[in-house]
Amino acid sequence: GESVGLHLPTLSVQEGDNSIINCAYSNSASDYFIWYKQESGKGPQFIIDIRSNMDKRQGQRVTVLLNKTVKHLSLQIAATQPGDSAVYFCAENLGGGAQKLVFGQGTRLTINP
Amino acid sequence: DAGVTQSPTHLIKTRGQQVTLRCSPKSGHDTVSWYQQALGQGPQFIFQYYEEEERQRGNFPDRFSGHQFPNYSSELNVNALLLGDSALYLCASSFPGTGSYEQYFGPGTRLTVT
Repeated sequence: GESVGLHLPTLSVQEGDNSIINCAYSNSASDYFIWYKQESGKGPQFIIDIRSNMDKRQGQRVTVLLNKTVKHLSLQIAATQPGDSAVYFCAENLGGGAQKLVFGQGTRLTINP
Repeated sequence: DAGVTQSPTHLIKTRGQQVTLRCSPKSGHDTVSWYQQALGQGPQFIFQYYEEEERQRGNFPDRFSGHQFPNYSSELNVNALLLGDSALYLCASSFPGTGSYEQYFGPGTRLTVT
């Protein structure tokens, strides 16, 4: 069925360390994937995206890796800062021209000082 | 450049009532999608509007309906409210004409049904 899931509901890291948030998706036809960050009381904020014809994309302090063989997506955050504390969602866009994002449940990232 | 705006911020309704939520898309965007986010969950797709028509729909009952206006703003209507409709309702806008699937979210409307 259509589902996007996350391996860990919570992740706690030390400030300055790198964070890796994982995501599994089930729809082989998904052609686009996005990572969103959601802070308390706010809507999801776009972090980085990747199309299915790529396996890696880098942004500022963030990298997304896509492994289509095992249907796995990961978000790497370098040198985490207190402001990175939030819930992170991966979302997949079903293929065929649809613009329907399917979200996972989210991972809460906590940065320890 | 204004981002996605939603109103109201918070709303309290009683079971059986009807509610209308409003969304103005980001400047230049012509497509609006609505999502329901229950506490502790990821957003769930309700439907999407483009050119004033519903283009995509998720697994939500007919009690959920919407509308898009010529200026691309949109409304979400929910009839016969149930306690389970309590959630954060998110609006997201996009401009797929560029080939991008990126959706920009508003801050949401927190609906509480008592």
